[in-house]
Amino acid sequence: QLVESGGTLVEPGGSLRLSCAASGFTFSNYYMSWIRQAPGRGLEWVSYINPSSRAIYYGGSLKGRFTISRDNAKNSLYLEMNSLRAEDTAIYYCARSVGFSYGRFDYWGQGTLVTVSS
Amino acid sequence: DIQMTQSPSTLSASVGDRVSITCRASQSVTSWLAWYQQKPGKAPKLLIYKASTLESGVPSRFSGSGSGTEFTLTISSLQPDDFATYYCQQYNSYSFTFGPGTKVDIK
Repeated sequence: QLVESGGTLVEPGGSLRLSCAASGFTFSNYYMSWIRQAPGRGLEWVSYINPSSRAIYYGGSLKGRFTISRDNAKNSLYLEMNSLRAEDTAIYYCARSVGFSYGRFDYWGQGTLVTVSS
Repeated sequence: DIQMTQSPSTLSASVGDRVSITCRASQSVTSWLAWYQQKPGKAPKLLIYKASTLESGVPSRFSGSGSGTEFTLTISSLQPDDFATYYCQQYNSYSFTFGPGTKVDIK
């Protein structure tokens, strides 16, 4: 099970930290991803991180504003978001990444809504 | 980034119909293509990976085919639980990208 938290209303230019609590599998063995979905829109992969935190990749649209991290001792995944813009408004899902390039997502959380607005 | 397109964007069908959704990639993704189902207010659910491999627990009425740049998701006999939006996703190269979705609704 994956449970996201931390989503809220934030002003443009603000910062936010999302969390994802994992249970039911050995979290420290798996790559993990963040994926977002703007209201009424499609899906956009945001980032992933390997078990040791030594391999991290980001989607091209983020331009260094987001930072993914994890704490295996706490079975938790995080997404630090800075310089937030209206276009970052979305439901943010954490997902377990498996397979070739760790690019398919076999378990997803229920999502947490981030709204960027003044 | 590899661009993904899907057709049609909306598909109206009846229970029992055979339906197919097409996904195209802007360049070859070999067989690294997945399909997801999403219902309103819910997270996406993985249906098929590596173009044609059924995820565990997914009904056999779902099937996938294709390679390179063109892929198809087929539902052999549409059931009431299948009315949803379907997304394809390539994971051949970064950054992983999704298609815009195909909504399957009741005719």
